[in-house]
Amino acid sequence: DQQVKQNSPSLSVQEGRISILNCDYTNSMFDYFLWYKKYPAEGPTFLISISSIKDKNEDGRFTVFLNKSAKHLSLHIVPSQPGDSAVYFCAAETGANNLFFGTGTRLTVIP
Amino acid sequence: DAGVTQSPTHLIKTRGQHVTLRCSPISGHKSVSWYQQVLGQGPQFIFQYYEKEERGRGNFPDRFSARQFPNYSSELNVNALLLGDSALYLCASSFTGNQPQHFGDGTRLSIL
Repeated sequence: DQQVKQNSPSLSVQEGRISILNCDYTNSMFDYFLWYKKYPAEGPTFLISISSIKDKNEDGRFTVFLNKSAKHLSLHIVPSQPGDSAVYFCAAETGANNLFFGTGTRLTVIP
Repeated sequence: DAGVTQSPTHLIKTRGQHVTLRCSPISGHKSVSWYQQVLGQGPQFIFQYYEKEERGRGNFPDRFSARQFPNYSSELNVNALLLGDSALYLCASSFTGNQPQHFGDGTRLSIL
């Protein structure tokens, strides 16, 4: 039973434009959400996170939005750069410290 | 500073064998978690250890076991290997088990 879902397996964006990656979840007990980026042959790298008491968190070019009523979060990357090309995983936890991951979205930024 | 290190990087085993995977956390981190990532899926939680005690366990059979040592390094053991155990095994560490966890590059396990 997939509690965290990323319904878009891939996304292509032109360099300099905005990339929007989406994530939906079903478990209302999730109280902390994270985005990880993964390059081939490397482990996931933490990117940005958001607590359930907030609806937005920003870090440089990366912004995460949380809509609790819709059980939806999104990651915005502005402007997108070729080095952002990677697989992005959305993850969530209930406070028990184990993460539930989505299946990932492969982002390709076209120069 | 060294990140999370895992060994070996690749491993090939046959069905029925057992395997031991190793993980060294970031210096100062006392919590280690293990995840299994099957091709095309996201990582799936197996275990978390904190201060040598098991703090959490995912939905995996008893063939999977782990332990944490006094230096906070950890081992994941899998017995009676099945073809379906072929995956990337990721180790992650954090100070107390809270987020964010920092991941190693994983051990790629192939079962023939």
